[in-house]
Amino acid sequence: GQNIDQPTEMTATEGAIVQINCTYQTSGFNGLFWYQQHAGEAPTFLSYNVLDGLEEKGRFSSFLSRSKGYSYLLLKELQMKDSASYLCAASDSNYQLIWGAGTKLIIKP
Amino acid sequence: GAVVSQHPSWVICKSGTSVKIECRSLDFQATTMFWYRQFPKQSLMLMATSNEGSKATYEQGVEKDKFLINHASLTLSTLTVTSAHPEDSSFYICSAPPGTTEASPLHFGNGTRLTVT
Repeated sequence: GQNIDQPTEMTATEGAIVQINCTYQTSGFNGLFWYQQHAGEAPTFLSYNVLDGLEEKGRFSSFLSRSKGYSYLLLKELQMKDSASYLCAASDSNYQLIWGAGTKLIIKP
Repeated sequence: GAVVSQHPSWVICKSGTSVKIECRSLDFQATTMFWYRQFPKQSLMLMATSNEGSKATYEQGVEKDKFLINHASLTLSTLTVTSAHPEDSSFYICSAPPGTTEASPLHFGNGTRLTVT
């Protein structure tokens, strides 16, 4: 079956760095997405990886290893506004998105 | 950037009534619209995929007669929750891929918080 795993909750300190991991098993693979979702709001797109390696976008970076079925989202210089849920989603052979349950990130001062 | 406008943002209705949720693509043509439901502290669950001019495709376990989807134009898709019950209370979100490739990231509406009393 198809499956996405990511930690339920993580806590980090303002100004620090945090890495949110995601492992996936899908029927075929056409890329991995990361979305940010604040409580009560719709998700917003953060990043997309389809090739192995690291993609950097400002304070946020995303990494993909296709052979390991593994991705991570790296957040640097954490700010209080980064407190949110981070959703990992893999695109399968039919370009259907398989969603993880999300990682709730709590930032402490 | 691509914008999906979703209305209403929140609605409270009585059990047994119907509620319509609209999603409009404001600056692109959405041939496909995905409808999701999200319960508290859970991830997005795909309910159905609507395609302009054809019948929607429903996910397993989603009642097509209860959740009516209409995608009559390239800029408007609607979801009607018929005979709503308290267990239908949830956050409903629409999304569409604005790009020309199937790998384009989805752009989401702002969601509709439905509470059935």
